[in-house]
Amino acid sequence: AQKVTQAQTEISVVEKEDVTLDCVYETRDTTYYLFWYKQPPSGELVFLIRRNSFDEQNEISGRYSWNFQKSTSSFNFTITASQVVDSAVYFCALSLIQGAQKLVFGQGTRLTINP
Amino acid sequence: ETGVTQTPRHLVMGMTNKKSLKCEQHLGHNAMYWYKQSAKKPLELMFVYSLEERVENNSVPSRFSPECPNSSHLFLHLHTLQPEDSALYLCASSRWTGGLTDTQYFGPGTRLTVL
Repeated sequence: AQKVTQAQTEISVVEKEDVTLDCVYETRDTTYYLFWYKQPPSGELVFLIRRNSFDEQNEISGRYSWNFQKSTSSFNFTITASQVVDSAVYFCALSLIQGAQKLVFGQGTRLTINP
Repeated sequence: ETGVTQTPRHLVMGMTNKKSLKCEQHLGHNAMYWYKQSAKKPLELMFVYSLEERVENNSVPSRFSPECPNSSHLFLHLHTLQPEDSALYLCASSRWTGGLTDTQYFGPGTRLTVL
């Protein structure tokens, strides 16, 4: 079975600070995807990024960056120079590439950026 | 319309009512999903439809009845619900080809309150 843990339930920072959201996962399978989704107050889950288990390259997209480390089963997400619009609940998730079409989500981290 | 749409966005119903939630995807996908998001639990997968066939049913009570008439539409029929069924119901869609999963894209959700 797969499991995703986001140990940080809530994080609150002041605008322009950098913030890292942690994600640790468990799976015995060797081929899987990892995801980050953002859920603003409107409720919709917005897809941010997908990485597959073969590709440990870190990725940067504007102020967002992701650090995937198989050795520690972690897929952490960093927001640089945070903005109030980044306030949301962020979910890390895992799915197997083959077979069951099931996204396993972490509990989510509520991020509040204060002006 | 683009992406995944859900109607209604908000629904209040009594325990003896019958109502339906509707989801429509405009992404050309062939798999659709229902998730439940309640306050105290992580996102829970309820049903999966691939190529209009139900491929997963995660021990969901029979008072929830899904229907997928074509690859673009998904319904969740509700009857004799309980107050603990109050939650945000999210629909998602993805491509599914040859047993390989893909990124799921979510709708804005229906906030359901059962009185």
